[in-house]
Amino acid sequence: GAVVSQHPSRVICKSGTSVKIECRSLDFQATTMFWYRQFPKQSLMLMATSNEGSKATYEQGVEKDKFLINHASLTLSTLTVTSAHPEDSSFYICSARSGTSQETQYFGPGTRLLVL
Amino acid sequence: GQNIDQPTEMTATEGAIVQINCTYQTSGFNGLFWYQQHAGEAPTFLSYNVLDGLEEKGRFSSFLSRSKGYSYLLLKELQMKDSASYLCAGMDSNYQLIWGAGTKLIIKP
Repeated sequence: GAVVSQHPSRVICKSGTSVKIECRSLDFQATTMFWYRQFPKQSLMLMATSNEGSKATYEQGVEKDKFLINHASLTLSTLTVTSAHPEDSSFYICSARSGTSQETQYFGPGTRLLVL
Repeated sequence: GQNIDQPTEMTATEGAIVQINCTYQTSGFNGLFWYQQHAGEAPTFLSYNVLDGLEEKGRFSSFLSRSKGYSYLLLKELQMKDSASYLCAGMDSNYQLIWGAGTKLIIKP
């Protein structure tokens, strides 16, 4: 099956710093990538949808200037949490979809962010 | 609006059968997904239904009734490792997943 990786798997940072999370599709071209956030004991919340080469579409309530998404290639999307605060501590998960199958999303393993 | 409903928590006994129900309302419909998520991990795909009926895959089966906006995940011969959250997600007309809150399944010996 298709593989999606995320890096780092876990990050601890100080409040006010920025953190970049990478999402890579390893064996297919991901025309669309999705970024989710999941707080403890809650379901996944879609933050934004990014299509390769175009600006990301953010869900209502998600600050695009705080959560910068770049999808510069068909195999890489990055999420940068700028000026992170403790309330940004969460589990961030990306998923990727190829152009050949609209129904199938492949999930990365997730990145656990802890902001002190 | 779009909505996915599933029970918050269920408990079952090792070796038994459990059925997790899900009702959905989506803008358009491109299928119903079930994912398993262990604590601290990303979801893993279990099943996809787009036509009415039962799809069987080993110990897991998934059922869909589009007219009723209803699906269930059936787990047979439960094992302790099946303790996890089970997420129901409907795919809308834009091919976006609408997620339920998840059902935490607790397996007791």
